[in-house]
Amino acid sequence: DAKTTQPTSMDCAEGRAANLPCNHSTISGNEYVYWYRQIHSQGPQYIIHGLKNNETNEMASLIITEDRKSSTLILPHATLRDTAVYYCIVRAYSGTYKYIFGTGTRLKVLA
Amino acid sequence: DAMVIQNPRYQVTQFGKPVTLSCSQTLNHNVMYWYQQKSSQAPKLLFHYYDKDFNNEADTPDNFQSRRPNTSFCFLDIRSPGLGDAAMYLCATSRDVILAKNIQYFGAGTRLSVL
Repeated sequence: DAKTTQPTSMDCAEGRAANLPCNHSTISGNEYVYWYRQIHSQGPQYIIHGLKNNETNEMASLIITEDRKSSTLILPHATLRDTAVYYCIVRAYSGTYKYIFGTGTRLKVLA
Repeated sequence: DAMVIQNPRYQVTQFGKPVTLSCSQTLNHNVMYWYQQKSSQAPKLLFHYYDKDFNNEADTPDNFQSRRPNTSFCFLDIRSPGLGDAAMYLCATSRDVILAKNIQYFGAGTRLSVL
């Protein structure tokens, strides 16, 4: 099964860029990488997704390595409100397609 | 505006007393999912509906059932809640399940306590 590996926790100073890595070495050729975040006691919030090319939106940038085995989510100017658990997700097929959540990275933005 | 709405946000039930959690969506998506999330763990998929087709995960206990009376609504029924069923229950929707690009949109969740 495709799966993801992320560091358990990271700290980042407010105003600095937060770089969150994810390893997904078993990802299938046509599967996307999705990033979500979950602020305490809320549902996961979609951030960004990508297939091969780097992507950017109003929330973040996503850098995917050429071999697609890993990616990095970049929050360019982290704020205290970005403190959350960040999940890197790929899909797997087991009778049907479903999200495979990793353990996530707990990002703490420090004032 | 909330697109996936879960009610209630907090639910308290007694051990063994049936409880129903509800989810509604304004996105007109074909797929609705139910996840269970225990403290400090990642969400775990229980089952999903693709339109009217129900897809149960192999390790979802029989104690958990679901109903989808129409496109907009989906319910999670726990027939006899045990202490181990205390968790956050998350509803999500997506347009499709087969397409490679498949963004899921989550509700705020219902936190269930079992006394």
